[in-house]
Amino acid sequence: NAGVTQTPKFRVLKTGQSMTLLCAQDMNHEYMYWYRQDPGMGLRLIHYSVGEGTTAKGEVPDGYNVSRLKKQNFLLGLESAAPSQTSVYFCASSHLRESNEQYFGPGTRLTVT
Amino acid sequence: GEDVEQSLFLSVREGDSSVINCTYTDSSSTYLYWYKQEPGAGLQLLTYIFSNMDMKQDQRLTVLLNKKDKHLSLRIADTQTGDSAIYFCAESINSGYALNFGKGTSLLVTP
Repeated sequence: NAGVTQTPKFRVLKTGQSMTLLCAQDMNHEYMYWYRQDPGMGLRLIHYSVGEGTTAKGEVPDGYNVSRLKKQNFLLGLESAAPSQTSVYFCASSHLRESNEQYFGPGTRLTVT
Repeated sequence: GEDVEQSLFLSVREGDSSVINCTYTDSSSTYLYWYKQEPGAGLQLLTYIFSNMDMKQDQRLTVLLNKKDKHLSLRIADTQTGDSAIYFCAESINSGYALNFGKGTSLLVTP
């Protein structure tokens, strides 16, 4: 049982390039989330999904797109990377229950030059 | 969202108790959480408390909740060097999906 996994672990992009971050969970969770973490700040929600085929915007969605084609996977895309998107990206997942405990992946460190 | 407030830094000696404090924003938050983040790692859920409780104990961890003051604390008994990490307080947001995180408290445990 791997929990929540993320690929890649590290990536360096040039401004304007695109990339996709992959999140996978094997806990059969309904909900999945993408957060970003910047120095000295807490986590901010980018997008989330409450089930296969559904996505919704979080607090900071601009510049990102997401897809949830399979229940176990949640993809985060950057169509045209900008230096402001340099950050550590965390994926999380949770069951459909009131307590909504979220379980996090190890993170992807992205640098945009 | 509005800020969940935490002190940025706490230093304790090994064997002492640590108390990390948090002030949250939404009086309607139903659940409050404590996460631990070690260097280069993701966030690990330590514990959570339902808003109709005022205390929860789990081994060395004790969570106290003062709903009137919107104050949450995490006490770690017999703090060890392995407890050195960043601790995040989080509240459930009214929509029920996302969590609103504080900026984290960096705990340093010295021998």
